[in-house]
Amino acid sequence: AQKVTQAQTEISVVEKEDVTLDCVYETRDTTYYLFWYKQPPSGELVFLIRRNSFDEQNEISGRYSWNFQKSTSSFNFTITASQVVDSAVYFCALTRTGGSYIPTFGRGTSLIVHP
Amino acid sequence: SQTIHQWPATLVQPVGSPLSLECTVEGTSNPNLYWYRQAAGRGLQLLFYSVGIGQISSEVPQNLSASRPQDRQFILSSKKLLLSDSGFYLCAWSVTGEQPQHFGDGTRLSIL
Repeated sequence: AQKVTQAQTEISVVEKEDVTLDCVYETRDTTYYLFWYKQPPSGELVFLIRRNSFDEQNEISGRYSWNFQKSTSSFNFTITASQVVDSAVYFCALTRTGGSYIPTFGRGTSLIVHP
Repeated sequence: SQTIHQWPATLVQPVGSPLSLECTVEGTSNPNLYWYRQAAGRGLQLLFYSVGIGQISSEVPQNLSASRPQDRQFILSSKKLLLSDSGFYLCAWSVTGEQPQHFGDGTRLSIL
């Protein structure tokens, strides 16, 4: 069975601080995909990134960066110089390859960025 | 480009009344479709998913049902709503299970 753990229920920071959202996963599969989604207060989830299990290179997109480490089964998300608009719930998810259609989501981390 | 429409945005219903939430996708064919529920302050609970017309898989036994009468239409229904059915309902689609999911704007359902 797959499992995604986002141990941080809520994080509160002040604008311009860097913040890292943790994601730890469990799977017996050797190939899989990991995702991050953002849910702003308006409610809709927005896809941020997908990473396959063979690609452990870190990725940077503007102020966002992702650190994938298979050795620790983690896929952490860092926001540099946080802004109020980053306030949202962030979900990490895991999907098997080879035909499974059911993603496993973590419970989400609520990030509050204060001005 | 692909778009997903979900309606209504908000709904207030009395206990025991029926429910019908609709979701349609445009710009793609044979998408995987999903219904999620999110209780206040909680994570996402997958309710139903469909990989094709007439194919529905239920993840959690409950008071709800889903149907896919057309390729890009996914409907969530209930014959008699319970108080516990309150929540935020999200429809999503993906090309395959390995691809990202794309979510609708959601429906906030309040049961009185």
